[in-house]
Amino acid sequence: QVQLVQSGAEVKKPGASVKVSCKASGYTFSSHAMHWVRQAPGQRLEWMAWIKPGNGDTKYSQKFQGRVTITWDTSASTAYMELSSLTSEDTAVYYCVRGFYSSSQRTNWFDPWGQGTLVTVSS
Amino acid sequence: SYVLTQSPSVSVAPGKTARLTCEGDNIGSKSVHWYQQKAGQAPVLVVYDDSARPSGIPERLSGSNSGNTATLTINRVEAGDEADYYCQVWDGFSDGVFGGGTKLTVL
Repeated sequence: QVQLVQSGAEVKKPGASVKVSCKASGYTFSSHAMHWVRQAPGQRLEWMAWIKPGNGDTKYSQKFQGRVTITWDTSASTAYMELSSLTSEDTAVYYCVRGFYSSSQRTNWFDPWGQGTLVTVSS
Repeated sequence: SYVLTQSPSVSVAPGKTARLTCEGDNIGSKSVHWYQQKAGQAPVLVVYDDSARPSGIPERLSGSNSGNTATLTINRVEAGDEADYYCQVWDGFSDGVFGGGTKLTVL
């Protein structure tokens, strides 16, 4: 079955960077975009970025532009999300999610979701 | 940026029908997706493209979308339906947009 397995929880100091990995299995890694979504305590889900492993295209939310970098390793079926210049506002659970795209509806939806990686930013 | 508004909470008795709404400007022109998130777990897709259900999602859950409101309807509510539910659209300017979520409580 399709599965996304993320790396473990991280604790970082303000100003540091964090890199979260997401290993995919059960489908052809290059055939779907991989998105990253985060959920801060008490906040709504927030889309951050996507990568299309098939052609290397990336797109970042304007909110995170310049601070987030998405990379991938097709041979390992793994995507990575690195977020820099961390502040306490970045404390959240970060999810990788497989994307589905409908050209007729110009929409993307997400299935499945990784188990989530808690990133805590604290001095 | 595009904004989706959901009621913070809905309570319903077992066996009854729950209707969870998601409001947005002319949301009927967009494709709406719904996710269920149980306590301590990752979200799960329950409806996509307004009304389609992924395999394994019971027919009790259905979606509709028109005008400024999209609705997720859960018939014959069960205790296991208790969760947070989020709507989501893809917007040309805002990209992925989520509602604030509705907490469904089964009485």
